[in-house]
Amino acid sequence: GQQLNQSPQSMFIQEGEDVSMNCTSSSIFNTWLWYKQDPGEGPVLLIALYKAGELTSNGRLTAQFGITRKDSFLNISASIPSDVGIYFCAGTTSGTYKYIFGTGTRLKVLA
Amino acid sequence: NAGVMQNPRHLVRRRGQEARLRCSPMKGHSHVYWYRQLPEEGLKFMVYLQKENIIDESGMPKERFSAEFPKEGPSILRIQQVVRGDSAAYFCASSGQDSNQPQHFGDGTRLSIL
Repeated sequence: GQQLNQSPQSMFIQEGEDVSMNCTSSSIFNTWLWYKQDPGEGPVLLIALYKAGELTSNGRLTAQFGITRKDSFLNISASIPSDVGIYFCAGTTSGTYKYIFGTGTRLKVLA
Repeated sequence: NAGVMQNPRHLVRRRGQEARLRCSPMKGHSHVYWYRQLPEEGLKFMVYLQKENIIDESGMPKERFSAEFPKEGPSILRIQQVVRGDSAAYFCASSGQDSNQPQHFGDGTRLSIL
């Protein structure tokens, strides 16, 4: 089935650095979601985006709904060790409950 | 992940046995989704159900796999005659009734086939 492309696939960063990751699709979406998954647990919803151009923050996390509606971005400022995990984007088109999930960005923070 | 409850958290089966995975959605949610995740991979959609109805099962294998969401009780993902390749983490998510509402996930069932 169709999947979203997430970039980068993995990244190592130093504690305190800012992190940026993105998600792109060949389809236009009207909702974007960002999740974080810790080892052995289920994905936890971080941010939901509903309008093109929307910029939403959740603590040190900021996500944007791309104006083309085919991409979304997640930024983490001043990373800390507990930011380690896998970040997934998910999108859906209008009128459907079926979300398509990205391939994930694996983040590792070096203290 | 408070709200979506999955059990068991870990399940071990021998080849040929049946595996039953349960999911209770968040209170007030009537839509349930099942996903499969292999190590180091993303989530793969399997099936989407509403109460007593299968809406979309396009991601579920045609044989040995079935899902239900009865009027009363949890949603069940059943795998008959399990094989080694069925080993994976199976996640359930639920959402409310408005279109595009986010899906909230449980902590998954990790199925191991001996």
